[in-house]
Amino acid sequence: GAVVSQHPSWVICKSGTSVKIECRSLDFQATTMFWYRQFPKQSLMLMATSNEGSKATYEQGVEKDKFLINHASLTLSTLTVTSAHPEDSSFYICSARAGTGDTDTQYFGPGTRLTVL
Amino acid sequence: QQPVQSPQAVILREGEDAVINCSSSKALYSVHWYRQKHGEAPVFLMILLKGGEQKGHEKISASFNEKKQQSSLYLTASQLSYSGTYFCGTEIGSWGKLQFGAGTQVVVTP
Repeated sequence: GAVVSQHPSWVICKSGTSVKIECRSLDFQATTMFWYRQFPKQSLMLMATSNEGSKATYEQGVEKDKFLINHASLTLSTLTVTSAHPEDSSFYICSARAGTGDTDTQYFGPGTRLTVL
Repeated sequence: QQPVQSPQAVILREGEDAVINCSSSKALYSVHWYRQKHGEAPVFLMILLKGGEQKGHEKISASFNEKKQQSSLYLTASQLSYSGTYFCGTEIGSWGKLQFGAGTQVVVTP
């Protein structure tokens, strides 16, 4: 159980274009989904917290107009990188939390490697 | 608020033990441990909630000190499959948001 998928696995795009990444919880309903960015050999940096039906909460320093998050249902959240630039190239990982209990942890998707040329 | 992990890296021979530490300047609500292999997503290992708690799965175990400011992950009789980068994720409150340490790269050699 607790499987999270991401699509696409990787994407290469030209500078200035927008890229959408999907995150789905396959066998559970996720009360909350999280989006992270990870640069090579670095830790996971939380970008935003997404709850179904409400606006995402962004971490300090993350531009909400550049990284658009939509949490359409309890099993789907999307991250759109608008007007992507080479510095946005990174590994984007989503995670989903099944409940609100103390023992509910986050299950991570396989990640999406974005390369902006 | 990012927790401090140590060591940065450790090289082990198969069968050896290692300890990875994760420290915070504030009392934590919980600690979550993950292992990530190159190019893959982090995989959940365990969660600790209570001060003084210890738990484990097979030969990987973890503890959470009484003050809830430090957690340690113990790799016992390491196997080749234990290689990867280990991250601790810490919660200050109960809203599920994790802050991750910088990671500890573990390499287990034959």
